[in-house]
Amino acid sequence: QVQLQESGPGLVKPSETLSLTCAVSGVSISSSHWWTWVRQPPGKGLEWIGEIYHSGTTNYNPSLKSRLTISVDKSKSQFSLKLISVTAADTAVYYCAAVGLGAPPFDYWGQGTLVTVSS
Amino acid sequence: DIQMTQSPSAMSASVGDRVTITCRASQGVSNFLAWFQQKPGKAPRRLIYAVFSLQSGVPSRFSGSGSGTEFTLTISSLQPEDFATYYCLQHNAYPYTFGQGTKLEI
Repeated sequence: QVQLQESGPGLVKPSETLSLTCAVSGVSISSSHWWTWVRQPPGKGLEWIGEIYHSGTTNYNPSLKSRLTISVDKSKSQFSLKLISVTAADTAVYYCAAVGLGAPPFDYWGQGTLVTVSS
Repeated sequence: DIQMTQSPSAMSASVGDRVTITCRASQGVSNFLAWFQQKPGKAPRRLIYAVFSLQSGVPSRFSGSGSGTEFTLTISSLQPEDFATYYCLQHNAYPYTFGQGTKLEI
């Protein structure tokens, strides 16, 4: 059973960098999963941010690509999101999720973490 | 990007009602269409994948249908625990895109 747990600051100042980590347990991070980030602004819908495979291959949402980096740390069994130059529009609950290679999407989710962008 | 348009955006219904939610894609997504249920403060939960395949553990009152660009989620007889927000998702092409959601209220 894959378990995911997000962590990171709950408050980030405008123009600074939002950094989150997702700890993976119950399965090797080198297993056949795409490790994914999804976000949800308060009271709004879901937005796919991007994903990474253990090989380092990434796919990003073009709307965020210029500001986004997703990385994986196999030694710590975690993957991370870094979003630079944030604004209030980046305020959201950020979820990490797992998508099995060739499997139906988003089998597993973290519980989500709220990140507020405010001075 | 493939735009996913759900309708209605919100609806009221009663226990026992049959409910249908529609999702239209701006271009064909093959069978890479899933439905999710989300309750307040919780992560989404997958109900349906590959258009009509029921996720293990999901009650059989939930069903999916459609093809190409138009898809539906049907709840045959609403139960109290079904009042939630529902999202469709296309994962045929990057970036994956969700519908804007349908809030189902009592």
